[in-house]
Amino acid sequence: SQTIHQWPATLVQPVGSPLSLECTVEGTSNPNLYWYRQAAGRGLQLLFYSVGIGQISSEVPQNLSASRPQDRQFILSSKKLLLSDSGFYLCAWTGGPETQYFGPGTRLLVL
Amino acid sequence: TQLLEQSPQFLSIQEGENLTVYCNSSSVFSSLQWYRQEPGEGPVLLVTVVTGGEVKKLKRLTFQFGDARKDSSLHITAAQPGDTGLYLCAGPDSGGGADGLTFGKGTHLIIQP
Repeated sequence: SQTIHQWPATLVQPVGSPLSLECTVEGTSNPNLYWYRQAAGRGLQLLFYSVGIGQISSEVPQNLSASRPQDRQFILSSKKLLLSDSGFYLCAWTGGPETQYFGPGTRLLVL
Repeated sequence: TQLLEQSPQFLSIQEGENLTVYCNSSSVFSSLQWYRQEPGEGPVLLVTVVTGGEVKKLKRLTFQFGDARKDSSLHITAAQPGDTGLYLCAGPDSGGGADGLTFGKGTHLIIQP
């Protein structure tokens, strides 16, 4: 069966510090992978998606970036965090047409 | 990007009561999905509806897709405290790529024992 992992689970970072969140998927090959951010009162916002190694599409311009160095690894990064980057970050993969499965999430608090 | 409006935003009821929450759009969707999310966890897929007028049942949960495929509802019978959570509807984003989804803001449901 397929599983999706995210770490860390919780992160508290100062403004201006760098960020690296990791997502890995097991039990499938060449999945479409997604990063979402969930902020209070704003729902889930799609940030990036990837259809393969090295292929990244950005949905929303921001100071975040994503990379896919391996088939089942998706990384969300920032060089300098802003207060507005606080939120719950979710990684997801496509399990079939129009169906996505989510990881456990990373709660990021920028102070 | 197509928008999905969910209502009510918050709902608190007693155990044993019935409830219905709604997901509406002015756009047609090829399918809609319902997820439940508990605090600090990722959303868990409950059901996907793909045919206009379709009704799917998952134990005490009944999901309906509108005939015009612009809306969906979730009805819970005899709600239990374990039903507490954030219920999200989502549909394929026609303006996005690679099967991206558009999500509603969700209904926060609390079932009081």
